[in-house]
Amino acid sequence: GDSVTQMEGPVTLSEEAFLTINCTYTATGYPSLFWYVQYPGEGLQLLLKATKADDKGSNKGFEATYRKETTSFHLEKGSVQVSDSAVYFCALLKSQGGSEKLVFGKGTKLTVNP
Amino acid sequence: GAGVSQSPRYKVAKRGQDVALRCDPISGHVSLFWYQQALGQGPEFLTYFQNEAQLDKSGLPSDRFFAERPEGSVSTLKIQRTQQEDSAVYLCASSLWDSYNEKLFFGSGTQLSVL
Repeated sequence: GDSVTQMEGPVTLSEEAFLTINCTYTATGYPSLFWYVQYPGEGLQLLLKATKADDKGSNKGFEATYRKETTSFHLEKGSVQVSDSAVYFCALLKSQGGSEKLVFGKGTKLTVNP
Repeated sequence: GAGVSQSPRYKVAKRGQDVALRCDPISGHVSLFWYQQALGQGPEFLTYFQNEAQLDKSGLPSDRFFAERPEGSVSTLKIQRTQQEDSAVYLCASSLWDSYNEKLFFGSGTQLSVL
């Protein structure tokens, strides 16, 4: 079935370091792909998305490119801040029987130290 | 309201008790979803409503789980005869239309602990 695999955390970086969180997926066809972020004590928020191959989603300095050749959607940021500390979830949109649902990875916890 | 509101924020239940979890979606949002997030895992789909119609309940783990949205706004997830494996954070989310390509808004969740 459809699934998402993320790099395991936790990830600890110093402020201004470069961030990569790997995400690969298994799916039939070319699903829309998403990154969600969960800040401490808050609900999941959509960070960025890409709906077709070669699309690049971007938001708040984060980027991810939909690579169908490698079935990947890696999240990157050139210079992280303490405020980026959160749990990041990669997800794909699965369509089945007239219904749609998000399939999430297990999440990667990021801690950024000053 | 300003966002998706869920109550209670925390719920402790003894094994065998029934619980009811409430979700107030953003006013006017057509779609409403329930997800279950076990510790250290990503959210897993439970069920989906479009207005008052429950279009997909394929993710409900057993017949002890029941969800309703009778007037197309507030939704309740009910778990009967709770078991320890039901311990998780239950997330509610809503969106304006019926497509995930629209922005999905999540609540902060209800953390259920079954003792």
